[in-house]
Amino acid sequence: EPEVTQTPSHQVTQMGQEVILRCVPISNHLYFYWYRQILGQKVEFLVSFYNNEISEKSEIFDDQFSVERPDGSNFTLKIRSTKLEDSAMYFCASSLPPRQTKNTEAFFGQGTRLTVV
Amino acid sequence: DQQVKQNSPSLSVQEGRISILNCDYTNSMFDYFLWYKKYPAEGPTFLISISSIKDKNEDGRFTVFLNKSAKHLSLHIVPSQPGDSAVYFCAASAIYGGSQGNLIFGKGTKLSVKP
Repeated sequence: EPEVTQTPSHQVTQMGQEVILRCVPISNHLYFYWYRQILGQKVEFLVSFYNNEISEKSEIFDDQFSVERPDGSNFTLKIRSTKLEDSAMYFCASSLPPRQTKNTEAFFGQGTRLTVV
Repeated sequence: DQQVKQNSPSLSVQEGRISILNCDYTNSMFDYFLWYKKYPAEGPTFLISISSIKDKNEDGRFTVFLNKSAKHLSLHIVPSQPGDSAVYFCAASAIYGGSQGNLIFGKGTKLSVKP
């Protein structure tokens, strides 16, 4: 069964350092997402990406964040200068285009646990 | 502001009985609702969905009910099994309202099914 894969599973970084979280979405999916879940809190939407550009972003997704699809298969989330409060589980997800299919659910990866020290 | 609310952080049910998980939403633009199940150290897994043109959708032991006037949906699991023990997230999207499909999640309800 196709799945979304994320690497690494756990990343520890020093405050102020840049991190790149990697995702390989399901191959025929066209919409890509990043979500995060701070420990004990709800899953929060960060950004959606379609046709090589950001479709929507939340207010969490400030200038420190960026996304890229560098090679047609990977989808990356970069945090330029990490803060302690960026520590969270980051989930990548992908889906078929909404409004074009009955099955518009997003499929999630296993997540990357980011710990900023 | 919490657009999707799951007011019960936890629920404990005996095996074989019905589990009812509730979710309320505030944004009337939401037109597509989903339930995800999450085990520790794993990503959310899609369970079942319902669009706003329906009031019920059933898939095996799982049924989702939507009450648009009350802005309320519920997930029924019957019969409940110990393997159903997980955190259940309600999510909503405004697909037909112009959103690109990003999901707004509730905080989750931890379901424990006791043998």
